[in-house]
Amino acid sequence: GAVVSQHPSWVICKSGTSVKIECRSLDFQATTMFWYRQFPKQSLMLMATSNEGSKATYEQGVEKDKFLINHASLTLSTLTVTSAHPEDSSFYICSAPQKLSSYNEQFFGPGTRLTVL
Amino acid sequence: GDSVTQMEGPVTLSEEAFLTINCTYTATGYPSLFWYVQYPGEGLQLLLKATKADDKGSNKGFEATYRKETTSFHLEKGSVQVSDSAVYFCALKNFGNEKLTFGTGTRLTIIP
Repeated sequence: GAVVSQHPSWVICKSGTSVKIECRSLDFQATTMFWYRQFPKQSLMLMATSNEGSKATYEQGVEKDKFLINHASLTLSTLTVTSAHPEDSSFYICSAPQKLSSYNEQFFGPGTRLTVL
Repeated sequence: GDSVTQMEGPVTLSEEAFLTINCTYTATGYPSLFWYVQYPGEGLQLLLKATKADDKGSNKGFEATYRKETTSFHLEKGSVQVSDSAVYFCALKNFGNEKLTFGTGTRLTIIP
């Protein structure tokens, strides 16, 4: 199947700094990518839809100025957590759909664990 | 809005036991239903799916049947193995929309 990578796999930063997380589709192009946040023992919550060549679409309650998304190319989307605080500590996961025959299958990255001290 | 309610874990079973993980959903329209699996240290992988009522998805010995009358998509396996230990997520996607709505996940541990 298709491969989606994320970098870094984990990051620790100080409160107030910004952190960038990359999501890449390695062997296919994706005009759309999705960013999720996963809390311990909880489900994946969709944060935003990243659109190549246009602005991201954010879910209700997600601060767009806090979580900056840039879909720079057909294989790369980045999530920047600005002025990070301890409550932003979480597991961030991206996904990208690839068209397979008659349907689109979502392929997920391995996730990035962010710890804000 | 759309939602998925999933059996809470964790679930611990002995090898070769029968597995059921319950999943029910609420959705407008006619959603497609999915089970994803997350092995330790890895990303989510599609385990199986069903796109319409009465469809049965199957893969790796796992099965789930799309039951519109009970709005359910329960995951079953007749004989689990230690390698099945993972977190399992039930999810839905509405037609024409790429967004996935996930359940809370169920951690499954199989002991030898």
